[in-house]
Amino acid sequence: NAGVTQTPKFRILKIGQSMTLQCAQDMNHNYMYWYRQDPGMGLKLIYYSVGAGITDKGEVPNGYNVSRSTTEDFPLRLELAAPSQTSVYFCASKGQVGGADTQYFGPGTRLTVL
Amino acid sequence: GIQVEQSPPDLILQEGANSTLRCNFSDSVNNLQWFHQNPWGQLINLFYIPSGTKQNGRLSATTVATERYSLLYISSSQTTDSGVYFCAVNDMRFGAGTRLTVKP
Repeated sequence: NAGVTQTPKFRILKIGQSMTLQCAQDMNHNYMYWYRQDPGMGLKLIYYSVGAGITDKGEVPNGYNVSRSTTEDFPLRLELAAPSQTSVYFCASKGQVGGADTQYFGPGTRLTVL
Repeated sequence: GIQVEQSPPDLILQEGANSTLRCNFSDSVNNLQWFHQNPWGQLINLFYIPSGTKQNGRLSATTVATERYSLLYISSSQTTDSGVYFCAVNDMRFGAGTRLTVKP
């Protein structure tokens, strides 16, 4: 299993540009999440999904959109990028291991908006 | 929303020492996880522990749900334990983390 994969690893955007961060998992997990992590801070939830076709907002959804057309993929769309969106973005999925819910994180995408 | 506070914010240890990290939360929770973020940024799940006690090698965790706190114990610390430790509740809220540095 590849686990949770994210592309790209790094990206620099200009203010006002748009982009899509890709996330895929091969563990057949229903739950998937997008978080952002600002320097020296904990993670903040942007959007999450409990299954294909179902998405919901987290703590900081403004400026982002998501879709979940398949179980495997959960892309995050940034429209009209702003410097405040400079951050490291983590995608995660959740499944059960030995009866315990366990989140698995991708390696992250480091985004800079100039 | 629920608030999550971790202490201490920073911890420096000599190799071989023991440590206790604390996570306080402001409301009842359905799940609580502890994560380790290594110096390269990778996040690894350590424990899923909404209540009770679990152990995994040199690490153990205890959550007292009625008193709204969780503790992560690291015994005989090693330099590879360095990084940031986060607790997260309900998959939604992360604490600000405890940065652990283990010196050889």
